Amino acid sequence: AQKITQTQPGMFVQEKEAVTLDCTYDTSDPSYGLFWYKQPSSGEMIFLIYQGSYDQQNATEGRYSLNFQKARKSANLVISASQLGDSAMYFCAMREGPGSEKLVFGKGMKLTVNP
Amino acid sequence: EAGVAQSPRYKIIEKRQSVAFWCNPISGHATLYWYQQILGQGPKLLIQFQNNGVVDDSQLPKDRFSAERLKGVDSTLKIQPAKLEDSAVYLCASRATLGAGTDTQYFGPGTRLTVL
Repeated sequence: AQKITQTQPGMFVQEKEAVTLDCTYDTSDPSYGLFWYKQPSSGEMIFLIYQGSYDQQNATEGRYSLNFQKARKSANLVISASQLGDSAMYFCAMREGPGSEKLVFGKGMKLTVNP
Repeated sequence: EAGVAQSPRYKIIEKRQSVAFWCNPISGHATLYWYQQILGQGPKLLIQFQNNGVVDDSQLPKDRFSAERLKGVDSTLKIQPAKLEDSAVYLCASRATLGAGTDTQYFGPGTRLTVL
């Protein structure tokens, strides 16, 4: 079974608009971490935001926020005020367990920001 | 603070040849990872080092892949002999084990390998 599911293969958004990228996950471990990474065409994976399973509040980092709905096992990334430079692949990833190191990634989705 | 460095950025080889990739992690990061990212997929962990010891190499194809981190800093990933299906981007990542931000893995720019 897939641990991380990203069902949107691609999305288009107008510059300055907000966009939500979907991610659902599957785990039976009560302790886990969720990550979003951005991968531009240059190839580097850029860390955006982290949410721990015990965190009471949704994580925010500048224009990025994570809509964490634990009961639904979803961890959607919200980008406010999209910029042209946000065009990239976006990957959701999960680390299971307090002692685990391994990140399991989804297949990613491509965001295109139009001027 | 300098990020994770990798070289080369691109490599084209013929099948059955050998190739090596180099990674220099963020200074002070004890944990180092190598990932393989096949086109259209998310990265998959190949091997994880803690200092110079291997923590997890369960997904490393050991008949052809090898990796080392001799002094607990730089690391080298080798493929010998390469197969067509090894064409991918090889990403190196590192993580701090002390202080703030120990949950996050930081990635290098990757090496794009094409096997012909």
